[in-house]
Amino acid sequence: NAGVTQTPKFQVLKTGQSMTLQCAQDMNHNSMYWYRQDPGMGLRLIYYSASEGTTDKGEVPNGYNVSRLNKREFSLRLESAAPSQTSVYFCASSEGRYSGANVLTFGAGSRLTVL
Amino acid sequence: RKEVEQDPGPFNVPEGATVAFNCTYSNSASQSFFWYRQDCRKEPKLLMSVYSSGNEDGRFTAQLNRASQYISLLIRDSKLSDSATYLCVVNIGSGTYKYIFGTGTRLKVLA
Repeated sequence: NAGVTQTPKFQVLKTGQSMTLQCAQDMNHNSMYWYRQDPGMGLRLIYYSASEGTTDKGEVPNGYNVSRLNKREFSLRLESAAPSQTSVYFCASSEGRYSGANVLTFGAGSRLTVL
Repeated sequence: RKEVEQDPGPFNVPEGATVAFNCTYSNSASQSFFWYRQDCRKEPKLLMSVYSSGNEDGRFTAQLNRASQYISLLIRDSKLSDSATYLCVVNIGSGTYKYIFGTGTRLKVLA
């Protein structure tokens, strides 16, 4: 009963390094999301994938890229990390149906520090 | 003005007390509403969805007021384990992706 699994849980990078955050869900959800959470700011959407094969920018996409590898997996890549990207990153998924209340289910989070 | 606003607190209440949080939203097209609970350094977890007629889950009651554009959460008989941050989440509804999060209200239940 894993739900949404994110790796790694912690990462420290130097400015300019690249890395990929991995996310997988086993709930057969159509939609997947990447958020970042910073103190006093609430969760902000970076990118989302409404369904397999599609990705779209959210509120704060600059400096990030994503790949929806298949229905289960949605990765987030930082090509050249900057200190402003120090944050806690959450992956989430939802059924993605257009009717009804689509509940978001979150992964445990990835805490990233960029020095 | 933020799209979803919450009083950040903290609300410090004794065990057994009743406490209420409000959350206001600015987009009248909002369709779905949720309360999430977030413990320190953990992920948000769904506490309850909020329905138009109001709904209850044990000690928790959620209300929606579309005319005034706010939702509320009432916690009765507070427990120490209720200490957490409570996030108000609104789904705008034009697509399934647009969830707007409040910054959260911190609750501390004191022994």
